[in-house]
Amino acid sequence: AQSVAQPEDQVNVAEGNPLTVKCTYSVSGNPYLFWYVQYPNRGLQFLLKYITGDNLVKGSYGFEAEFNKSQTSFHLKKPSALVSDSALYFCAVRVSGNTPLVFGKGTRLSVIA
Amino acid sequence: GAGVSQTPSNKVTEKGKYVELRCDPISGHTALYWYRQSLGQGPEFLIYFQGTGAADDSGLPNDRFFAVRPEGSVSTLKIQRTERGDSAVYLCASSLTGRDFGLAGPSSYNEQFFGPGTRLTVL
Repeated sequence: AQSVAQPEDQVNVAEGNPLTVKCTYSVSGNPYLFWYVQYPNRGLQFLLKYITGDNLVKGSYGFEAEFNKSQTSFHLKKPSALVSDSALYFCAVRVSGNTPLVFGKGTRLSVIA
Repeated sequence: GAGVSQTPSNKVTEKGKYVELRCDPISGHTALYWYRQSLGQGPEFLIYFQGTGAADDSGLPNDRFFAVRPEGSVSTLKIQRTERGDSAVYLCASSLTGRDFGLAGPSSYNEQFFGPGTRLTVL
């Protein structure tokens, strides 16, 4: 069975500082990994994905994520946080064959001015 | 707008009633997904359509839940005899699949585009 762990319920960071939101996964087979962001009263918005190739993936709004197969991790990063980045972030995984997308429970990011 | 839309945005009903939730996917997306998001949790998969047919309904919690997509576009999630535990935000998503590119292979690498959700409250 596939699973995703986001070990932090809440991450606080000062504006301008780098941020990291952690994600680890467990799958049988090669993973396809995704990050989504959810703003209040809005649907999930796609940020980035890892399918294959370069382990460092760049996405929307200056976010990037690094796939680490040995550590089964896919942490989300941004070099300089903005107050507007404050939101709920979800990591998700699936394997090939149209299996369901499995989400973590989410991490609330708070960027403080 | 070209995004996924869901109606109603909010639905309040009484225990035991029947409800229908509607999803309009992005035009041209053949794959459509329903998820349920409870407070403090990530979305949980309910059912997936490829075209008109339900390709995977393994996430439906019980037989009170049913979904249709008769013309391969709009989908309706139907909940019979609602219970208080059904209260959640119901999310719909759509995506392209390999078939949309004339391919026969799996499409797990395609990102899903989500609607704003329907908040269901069962009193």
